[in-house]
Amino acid sequence: SAVISQKPSRDICQRGTSLTIQCQVDSQVTMMFWYRQQPGQSLTLIATANQGSEATYESGFVIDKFPISRPNLTFSTLTVSNMSPEDSSIYLCSVERASYGYTFGSGTRLTVV
Amino acid sequence: QKEVEQNSGPLSVPEGAIASLNCTYSDRGSQSFFWYRQYSGKSPELIMSIYSNGDKEDGRFTAQLNKASQYVSLLIRDSQPSDSATYLCAVLPDAGNMLTFGGGTRLMVKP
Repeated sequence: SAVISQKPSRDICQRGTSLTIQCQVDSQVTMMFWYRQQPGQSLTLIATANQGSEATYESGFVIDKFPISRPNLTFSTLTVSNMSPEDSSIYLCSVERASYGYTFGSGTRLTVV
Repeated sequence: QKEVEQNSGPLSVPEGAIASLNCTYSDRGSQSFFWYRQYSGKSPELIMSIYSNGDKEDGRFTAQLNKASQYVSLLIRDSQPSDSATYLCAVLPDAGNMLTFGGGTRLMVKP
């Protein structure tokens, strides 16, 4: 399957600070997806990131809170800004590639204190 | 709003039994359906995809799709304790390229 490297794997952050999560794919992909999984919940799509254009955000998510960069076809970052305890979640990046389907990175477990 | 529904469980089955996991979806035009397995603390792992009505078998796993009933299921034969995990159903809507996930079913296989 596609190799997706995501880091950091976990972090504990102070409220009011920001954390940038990186996602690196082993080959070029058109779209990268960012998900959030709150404790005990399923996955919720935050945004879709295309190279060379602004990310498309889902309802309830805004660019000021979750800015995304997509500088090339193998890399993306998601920043969680001005964090509060409610942002404590697992954040996952995902890509879709023919033959592999939709696959996920290993996730970033974020705890905000 | 497009929805994917699953029974949250837990579904408890004895080792060696067949586990049956079910999922319904609201978007009648959906064309692609996926089952993911997620162990606690890990990211989801794709185990099955199905696109046509009927059954698709892969080892101990069988995915079943009925588009008329908007229903997709996953059967796990000869269940093992290592199958204990949360199983997520995901649907790709007819319009768009973003997966919609169900809430997941927690499966417990008891030795």
